[in-house]
Amino acid sequence: DQQVKQNSPSLSVQEGRISILNCDYTNSMFDYFLWYKKYPAEGPTFLISISSIKDKNEDGRFTVFLNKSAKHLSLHIVPSQPGDSAVYFCAASATGLQGAQKLVFGQGTRLTINP
Amino acid sequence: DTAVSQTPKYLVTQMGNDKSIKCEQNLGHDTMYWYKQDSKKFLKIMFSYNNKELIINETVPNRFSPKSPDKAHLNLHINSLELGDSAVYFCASSKGGTRTDTQYFGPGTRLTVL
Repeated sequence: DQQVKQNSPSLSVQEGRISILNCDYTNSMFDYFLWYKKYPAEGPTFLISISSIKDKNEDGRFTVFLNKSAKHLSLHIVPSQPGDSAVYFCAASATGLQGAQKLVFGQGTRLTINP
Repeated sequence: DTAVSQTPKYLVTQMGNDKSIKCEQNLGHDTMYWYKQDSKKFLKIMFSYNNKELIINETVPNRFSPKSPDKAHLNLHINSLELGDSAVYFCASSKGGTRTDTQYFGPGTRLTVL
């Protein structure tokens, strides 16, 4: 039972345009959401996060939107740059665990930015 | 200076063998994690330690045993390796383990069981 899903395994976008990556979740207990970026042969690196009390969080070219009623979040990258080509993972966690953060990851979307 | 390091990077071994993967973090974090990324690319939490205490222990075969000799190290020992254990294993660490802490990942160890 996959609680976090990224239904698009890949996405191709032209340089300078907007990239939109989507993520759906099923567990209503999730209250904190994150996006990680992963280059080949490296570990995932944190990109941006959002708490369930917000519906938008922006950091430079990256914006995450959260629609709690639809259990959906999206990551917008604008303008897209060649260095953004990577696999993007959506992740979620719920409160209640002391001492550790239990992240549930989606399966990732491979983003390719074309020059 | 690598923040979270794992050794080895690649591990090829025969079924039935016992192997260990080591993880070290130099960030001064209190919490460390092991994740498994399977062939379908899902990253799944296996274990987490906070100050050498086991906090998360997911449904993992007991052939997998984590060991934390100190806060900076979390090793993963796997007994009687099986074909299905082939995966990429990632170690991660975070400052205190609260839900808003950022987890920092190592580069991964690709384990291939023949």
